[in-house]
Amino acid sequence: GDSVTQTEGQVALSEEDFLTIHCNYSASGYPALFWYVQYPGEGPQFLFRASRDKEKGSSRGFEATYDKGTTSFHLRKASVQESDSAVYYCALGASSGSWQLIFGSGTQLTVMP
Amino acid sequence: DMKVTQMPRYLIKRMGENVLLECGQDMSHETMYWYRQDPGLGLQLIYISYDVDSNSEGDIPKGYRVSRKKREHFSLILDSAKTNQTSVYFCASSLSGNTGQLYFGEGSKLTVL
Repeated sequence: GDSVTQTEGQVALSEEDFLTIHCNYSASGYPALFWYVQYPGEGPQFLFRASRDKEKGSSRGFEATYDKGTTSFHLRKASVQESDSAVYYCALGASSGSWQLIFGSGTQLTVMP
Repeated sequence: DMKVTQMPRYLIKRMGENVLLECGQDMSHETMYWYRQDPGLGLQLIYISYDVDSNSEGDIPKGYRVSRKKREHFSLILDSAKTNQTSVYFCASSLSGNTGQLYFGEGSKLTVL
């Protein structure tokens, strides 16, 4: 079945560091790809999506590019802040009217001042 | 006001007791979901509901059932809870045909002793 792999369980950075969180997917079709963010004590929030090859999604300084060739959708940010500390989830999904998303295992980002 | 509300937020039960988790949304979204979140496993889909009395199993439905009698309410029921059902449960909703953005509640932390 379809799946999403996030290789980093935890990432620790200092403020203004460059962030990369890796996401690779396996899917039989041509899914849409998503990033969600979860702050402590809250539910996950939609960050952005991309639905076709080479499309870039972005929000709040974060970005990721859909790469069908390498089946990847890596999350990047040029300069992280302490307030970016959260769990980040990569997900894939397909819609037949209603969306059904498959989430990765999540990456805990901790940014130190 | 685009909100998903979960009740209760915290619950402690003994093995074998019944559990009712409730979820409400004020956005008239057709589709609602129940996920569970466990460390290292991310978010796993338990059930999806496409509308009133139109429910489908997700990836891990065993030991759970759901009820949706009104579009704005979606309940998760555990008949005879087990210790391995200790988890954080998230309800979410989405608008059919939209971008795949799911709106999550704040979660219900269930401990089964």
